[in-house]
Amino acid sequence: GENVEQHPSTLSVQEGDSAVIKCTYSDSASNYFPWYKQELGKGPQLIIDIRSNVGEKKDQRIAVTLNKTAKHFSLHITETQPEDSAVYFCAASPNNDMRFGAGTRLTVKP
Amino acid sequence: DADVTQTPRNRITKTGKRIMLECSQTKGHDRMYWYRQDPGLGLRLIYYSFDVKDINKGEISDGYSVSRQAQAKFSLSLESAIPNQTALYFCATQGQGSTGELFFGEGSRLTVL
Repeated sequence: GENVEQHPSTLSVQEGDSAVIKCTYSDSASNYFPWYKQELGKGPQLIIDIRSNVGEKKDQRIAVTLNKTAKHFSLHITETQPEDSAVYFCAASPNNDMRFGAGTRLTVKP
Repeated sequence: DADVTQTPRNRITKTGKRIMLECSQTKGHDRMYWYRQDPGLGLRLIYYSFDVKDINKGEISDGYSVSRQAQAKFSLSLESAIPNQTALYFCATQGQGSTGELFFGEGSRLTVL
């Protein structure tokens, strides 16, 4: 089955700096790559996703890039704010079995 | 009210006890999922269901069973709980096939002593 690795496990940045989280996947059949944000005490919530026919997608301060050849995709958050502090999960879906990375705890220091 | 509701939110039980975690949704989605979250391991799929008559095992189904009572209800059972089933459990729904957004409940924290 699909295996998703996510790095780093923790990330601390100053407010206003950029944050980058990277994921690799193993199954070349994966064609959908979402990113979820989990705030304390809540369930994960989709923040952005990308499909395999697209190399990059941007939504305001967040962007995702996908390199299908290398089987990796990344989340970029620019101009970070304290409310960006949360756990972020990447995922890859080759079929009905969406596999998640282990998560990255992002802390944005004011 | 939340679109995906899980009960109970917190539960402490003893080894060997039977536990049921319930999930109900008002989104009208056919697809429902149960995930388990452990620190450093992310979210792992336990079971999923695409309609009332469809139940599928996920990555870590051993020790768990599920019941899809209606389109809106999907329950997870631990027949005989053990300590390594201590975790945060999430129910999720999906409305657009295998590449649609997952909508998660707020989680059920289970502690098995």
